[in-house]
Amino acid sequence: NAGVTQTPKFRVLKTGQSMTLLCAQDMNHEYMYWYRQDPGMGLRLIHYSVGEGTTAKGEVPDGYNVSRLKKQNFLLGLESAAPSQTSVYFCASSYPRYKAASGYTFGSGTRLTVV
Amino acid sequence: QQPVQSPQAVILREGEDAVINCSSSKALYSVHWYRQKHGEAPVFLMILLKGGEQKGHDKISASFNEKKQQSSLYLTASQLSYSGTYFCGTEGQIQGAQKLVFGQGTRLTINP
Repeated sequence: NAGVTQTPKFRVLKTGQSMTLLCAQDMNHEYMYWYRQDPGMGLRLIHYSVGEGTTAKGEVPDGYNVSRLKKQNFLLGLESAAPSQTSVYFCASSYPRYKAASGYTFGSGTRLTVV
Repeated sequence: QQPVQSPQAVILREGEDAVINCSSSKALYSVHWYRQKHGEAPVFLMILLKGGEQKGHDKISASFNEKKQQSSLYLTASQLSYSGTYFCGTEGQIQGAQKLVFGQGTRLTINP
């Protein structure tokens, strides 16, 4: 099983450019999440989805948009990249509480630098 | 409402024990623990759902005090492979709010 796959693994953007990060999971998880990780700040939730066609804002949603058109995919978009969005982005997936008391499975991350 | 972890960093010799604490200001439904090695993704260790519940994973165990909204991770007879940053993730009791808020992490270094 591949688990959670993120593409790309690395990317350098110029300020103002846009891009989409792709997350794909093959575990049939209902819930998917996007986190960003910055030094000393742990993991902060950007957006999440509890099912196909539904998304919700997390702690730090400004400057990002998401879409979940298929259960296995969760896309994170940066409309106009800013240097403050330089970070490592992690996608994760999980079962809902009513199905299983289990943890999150994380992807390997995307290291994004905005210059 | 990020949970607070302590200590921020700890250095041990192989074979020593460590305790990492996680404290929240709100009522919790669950606490998760993850370990992240440098340049890698966080890896799930365990989840605690009930107040007072203790779980074990090899020589790594954890407890959850629901009343105090605190959890502790215990690493016994530490091995070199235990090195990394440990994160607690907390889930609130509000129905439908199934998302984790992570602490800032505790960096654990194990020396030979």
